[in-house]
Amino acid sequence: QVQLVESGGGVVQPGKSLRLSCAASGFTFRTDAMHWVRQAPGRGLEWVGFIWYDGSEKEYGESVKGRFTISRDNSKNMVYLQMNSLRGEDTAVYYCARDPAGSGWALDSWGQGTLVTVSS
Amino acid sequence: QSVLTQPPSASGTPGQRVTISCSGRSSNVGGRPVNWYQQLPGRAPKLLIHNSDKLSSGVSDRFSASKSGTSASLAINGLQSEDEAVYYCAVWDDSLKAVVFGGGTRLTVL
Repeated sequence: QVQLVESGGGVVQPGKSLRLSCAASGFTFRTDAMHWVRQAPGRGLEWVGFIWYDGSEKEYGESVKGRFTISRDNSKNMVYLQMNSLRGEDTAVYYCARDPAGSGWALDSWGQGTLVTVSS
Repeated sequence: QSVLTQPPSASGTPGQRVTISCSGRSSNVGGRPVNWYQQLPGRAPKLLIHNSDKLSSGVSDRFSASKSGTSASLAINGLQSEDEAVYYCAVWDDSLKAVVFGGGTRLTVL
């Protein structure tokens, strides 16, 4: 079965960097786009960005553009979220999610999430 | 302020039918398939509906959805206590080049 496991969350000071990882298994990783979605405490879902199946295309939400970078390693079934210049408003649970080819941007599998807390 | 507008709350009694709306614009709902997610308390979101009206695998057929113009809606028939959750609509926005989520609708089963 499809499994997505995020890791790398924790407490980080404002202005610092953090890299999240998402390990994928149970499906053909190299054929699917992958997304990151976050949820601040007590708030709704916010899309962070996505990476195409081969890494050739990426898009980001306005609030993270220029600070966050998504990458993937299809040989390891991993997707990453590099977060730089972190701010308090980046505090959230970060989910990785699968976007199967031809799904119409439907995220059909999600990880359990990893909590990032930005605080001094 | 979300690009997609959902009512913040909805409620119903067991057995009732409840609908949740999602209003957007031509660059998103009007031209792209809408997806609906359910988030139970303390859990990751779960895909309920994809491509505007297609039930995701394993999801109860009490759930259905439709889209007309720049609006979409999710319907839940035969409401059950286990349906208490927050429901989100989401869609790709061609102008923003981004996936946009509605603000979420918290459903309470009275």
